Amino acid sequence: DIQMTQSPSSLSASVGDRVTITCRASQSISSYLIWYQQKPGKAPKLLIYAASSLQSGVPSRFSGGGSGTDFTLTISSLQPEDFATYYCQQSYSTVYTFGQGTKLEIK
Amino acid sequence: QVQLQESGPGLVKPSQTLSLTCTVSGGSISSGGYYWSWIRQHPGKGLEWIGYIYYSGSTYYNPSLKSRVTISGDTSKNQFSLKLSSVTAADTAVYYCARDKDGSSGSFDCWGQGTLVTVSS
Repeated sequence: DIQMTQSPSSLSASVGDRVTITCRASQSISSYLIWYQQKPGKAPKLLIYAASSLQSGVPSRFSGGGSGTDFTLTISSLQPEDFATYYCQQSYSTVYTFGQGTKLEIK
Repeated sequence: QVQLQESGPGLVKPSQTLSLTCTVSGGSISSGGYYWSWIRQHPGKGLEWIGYIYYSGSTYYNPSLKSRVTISGDTSKNQFSLKLSSVTAADTAVYYCARDKDGSSGSFDCWGQGTLVTVSS
């Protein structure tokens, strides 16, 4: 299976901050990289697909980048509703695998 | 707008079979070329993809669970189901059903709310 590793595992930030979360794949996955946001007790929400395509309805402060093995999710100006856990997922291999998550907390 | 809803027992005994159903509303599982997946999340942990069923009825499972998993569909009820046999405490998790937004892109745009299944005697 393709292993997905996110960093950091947790992150403290303030409203208005710019934050970047990194995801690394154990092998090249081209641009087959997806980002989700999950809040406690809720299902994940699709944010970004194909590494950099913004899902309909997702605010433009979210952006994704990268290709091959290294990817980023950037939130340009944190809003109160953005404090959540973020997961990356690869879809290069049909055995879809997820990163371990990055918990974004209020500083 | 498509909505998904999981249902099934919240408690399963060890060695028994876990059975869950996902009811889809606002769209048909037999049209549109969508893939329908099951995904689980162990308490406080990350996400694990279990497998999918295509609208044609074909399936694909995570090899780590393949020997114990069956996913089936019932187009008359607009539902698809998960069966996981020989469960242990390690199968305790929140189970989600989800729709792939575009063929087998692996991007899940619609999710059920999740159902917690506890394996315990």
